[in-house]
Amino acid sequence: DSGVTQTPKHLITATGQRVTLRCSPRSGDLSVYWYQQSLDQGLQFLIQYYNGEERAKGNILERFSAQQFPDLHSELNLSSLELGDSALYFCASSVERDRTYNEQFFGPGTRLTVL
Amino acid sequence: LAKTTQPISMDSYEGQEVNITCSHNNIATNDYITWYQQFPSQGPRFIIQGYKTKVTNEVASLFIPADRKSSTLSLPRVSLSDTAVYYCLVGDPLMYNNNDMRFGAGTRLTVKP
Repeated sequence: DSGVTQTPKHLITATGQRVTLRCSPRSGDLSVYWYQQSLDQGLQFLIQYYNGEERAKGNILERFSAQQFPDLHSELNLSSLELGDSALYFCASSVERDRTYNEQFFGPGTRLTVL
Repeated sequence: LAKTTQPISMDSYEGQEVNITCSHNNIATNDYITWYQQFPSQGPRFIIQGYKTKVTNEVASLFIPADRKSSTLSLPRVSLSDTAVYYCLVGDPLMYNNNDMRFGAGTRLTVKP
């Protein structure tokens, strides 16, 4: 158990719909990362938040958005869903001690199926 | 962003030492090398991180030559439970400058009895 929790575990929805994935980082971790893992794309970084502010952005689609709340939990919003958005979505958190060390702790993931 | 190249797959037997090499010719000065392990349907798990020379922890060693253009993850005496995908990641640990951080395809290690 990494200490990172994600809900829901599974999500089945239809094309065109909107869903929200939730992540609670480990206690004390200020950074939250979101990743998408699909069969044909591997593990892809989407976005990172640090203490409520966006820090880095990967290949996140405009239909996707995220935020980190004052209590440090984060939500990933996926809208206008397409079949190709079906994937495992992972959240990770890190403590970021300094520039020389950064271990990311991954949650169990949310499996999204778009029908 | 430094692109990494790893073997797609490797086979080994229980009790053997396994070395997985990652090439990263365009590594930048601020970049660190990090390895993760992932089991099916689970999130990746941090194994080790280093900048240069050799780093060792309780599960693995990481060898980085002086030019830092490659790195080798060494797993001593593997067991069946080490069967997983191993990712080499190169970038700024704090991701200040990483706008496209990719894990890549990873190396699928299969440990046989």
